[in-house]
Amino acid sequence: GESVGLHLPTLSVQEGDNSIINCAYSNSASDYFIWYKQESGKGPQFIIDIRSNMDKRQGQRVTVLLNKTVKHLSLQIAATQPGDSAVYFCAENNAAGNKLTFGGGTRVLVKP
Amino acid sequence: GAVVSQHPSRVICKSGTSVKIECRSLDFQATTMFWYRQFPKQSLMLMATSNEGSKATYEQGVEKDKFLINHASLTLSTLTVTSAHPEDSSFYICSAIPQPYGYTFGSGTRLTVV
Repeated sequence: GESVGLHLPTLSVQEGDNSIINCAYSNSASDYFIWYKQESGKGPQFIIDIRSNMDKRQGQRVTVLLNKTVKHLSLQIAATQPGDSAVYFCAENNAAGNKLTFGGGTRVLVKP
Repeated sequence: GAVVSQHPSRVICKSGTSVKIECRSLDFQATTMFWYRQFPKQSLMLMATSNEGSKATYEQGVEKDKFLINHASLTLSTLTVTSAHPEDSSFYICSAIPQPYGYTFGSGTRLTVV
């Protein structure tokens, strides 16, 4: 889910189903990637990260997949819960500096 | 884990006035902090990198005279929006990189200029 204009793409998912959020990154030199969750009126909250020497990393209910060939990152949330409703951002960083560049974000709405 | 504390969480100011936002690192020292701006339904955009004891580094298109950054200690960076106008209304977020926790964000400041 990349940003289109001023509107965040929205993913509606039934509670208990799995969610997949996609992100295309721009810099082939990026070697560190992070997924963040942001609830309304709050700062970003770390979910999971992955370095470029890996293509998959798993956390609790979350999995990040990295495809460097097509510069694509995805976040999978298993058994999505109402508390997972938020906006999700990917962010990239390259070894040349410590600045993070954020993707456009995807809103996840969990239906009970 | 380490905490980045941001204050105030919300501020309303009149057009033409200045407002200061504070970002503090709790329980760790931060030689570098980052300031982001986020407009509604948009992503975070890096405004500047705040460096303790030296000048901030601003991203292209960000007016350094309008967004004054001071990082006078290892635990405090401030962002002052000078002569604020309604178009400066936004959500401002700071971050730091406490080791070994990695990038950590403050809770943000909602600025409304009326």
